[in-house]
Amino acid sequence: DIQMTQSPSTLSASVGDRVTITCRASQSISSWLAWYQQKPGKAPKLLIYKASTLETGVPSRFSGSRSGTEFTLTISSLQPDDFATYHCQQYNSYKWTFGQGTKVEI
Amino acid sequence: QVQLVESGGGVVQPGKSLRLSCVASGFTFSSFPMNWVRQIPGKGLEWVAVISYDGNNKHYADAVEGRFTISRDNSENTLFLQMNSLRSEDTAVYYCARESTRPTDYWGQGTLVTVSS
Repeated sequence: DIQMTQSPSTLSASVGDRVTITCRASQSISSWLAWYQQKPGKAPKLLIYKASTLETGVPSRFSGSRSGTEFTLTISSLQPDDFATYHCQQYNSYKWTFGQGTKVEI
Repeated sequence: QVQLVESGGGVVQPGKSLRLSCVASGFTFSSFPMNWVRQIPGKGLEWVAVISYDGNNKHYADAVEGRFTISRDNSENTLFLQMNSLRSEDTAVYYCARESTRPTDYWGQGTLVTVSS
């Protein structure tokens, strides 16, 4: 199975900060990588798919990129509503796997 | 408006069974593959199973293969997860998720399964 290694597990930041979260795949997944935001007690919400395509309605301060098997989620200027947990997901095969999650806290 | 509503969670003893349901509305249920994804409280997400739009193809995570069965009733717009021989490590919030090309676009609100004696 494809392993996804996400870092950091926790990130402390302030409003206005530029934030970067990384996910590394254990093998090639092309660009079949999605990012989700999850708030306590809620289901994950899709932010980005195909490594860099922004889901409709998601603010443009979110962006995604790929370099080989390393993927990055960037929040250009952190807003109060962005404090949440972020998950990456590979969907190169039907056996999806997720990263361990990154909690972005104040 | 697309909605997915899970039910059937609860507290169950190890070795027992439980059946989860996910009722879909607001879209043509029979046109989409569906997945179950679970999350141990405070932990990451784990994919559990997928079923094709017509129910003819199913795949499972190794951790549940042989114990869980995914199924669907397209006439009732309902997805199921039959969970047998439950273990403490199956304790989690279980989400149903509609599969699209993105790869998912809608999730239910989740139902909590607690396996404990």
